[in-house]
Amino acid sequence: AQSVTQPDIHITVSEGASLELRCNYSYGATPYLFWYVQSPGQGLQLLLKYFSGDTLVQGIKGFEAEFKRSQSSFNLRKPSVHWSDAAEYFCAVGAASNTGKLIFGQGTTLQVKP
Amino acid sequence: GAVVSQHPSWVICKSGTSVKIECRSLDFQATTMFWYRQFPKQSLMLMATSNEGSKATYEQGVEKDKFLINHASLTLSTLTVTSAHPEDSSFYICSASDMDSYKGYTFGSGTRLTVV
Repeated sequence: AQSVTQPDIHITVSEGASLELRCNYSYGATPYLFWYVQSPGQGLQLLLKYFSGDTLVQGIKGFEAEFKRSQSSFNLRKPSVHWSDAAEYFCAVGAASNTGKLIFGQGTTLQVKP
Repeated sequence: GAVVSQHPSWVICKSGTSVKIECRSLDFQATTMFWYRQFPKQSLMLMATSNEGSKATYEQGVEKDKFLINHASLTLSTLTVTSAHPEDSSFYICSASDMDSYKGYTFGSGTRLTVV
């Protein structure tokens, strides 16, 4: 079955510290992988996506993610977290088709300490 | 580019009434749009896939007669919650895919529905 797992429901980091949010997926075909961020009461903003090619993907707001096929992972990283990064983060996997639906992980809430 | 507008951003309605939510792709054509429902502090649950010019495809367990979806043009899909009840209160989000350049799925800003 297709699924996405974000093992960490809640993470707290200090401002300026590095961040890694974990994402593992189970998908039968070649997946398209996404990370989205959601602020309270808002829609989702795309941080980055992986379709093919270089397994290290750069996104907006200083985020990056690395696709590791052998580990079925697509972890999100940021070297130095800002207070404005506090939000909900969702990993998602989709079919290699532009009409395919996305499967979302449970989400990780990021709290940033001053 | 790839902007999706969702309206209204919030709505309060009385039990038994119907509410329509619009999802528009502003700068691209979207043959397919998706409607999600999100409960507080939970992930997004896909409700249905909206196909331009044809019937929507509903996920298992979603009542198609309660959640009416119409995708009349390449830039507009609507979700109508019919005979709303308090248990329908939720955050509804639409998304669309930019087919031309496949920039990925762009999401609307969501609609907070409260049924009283």
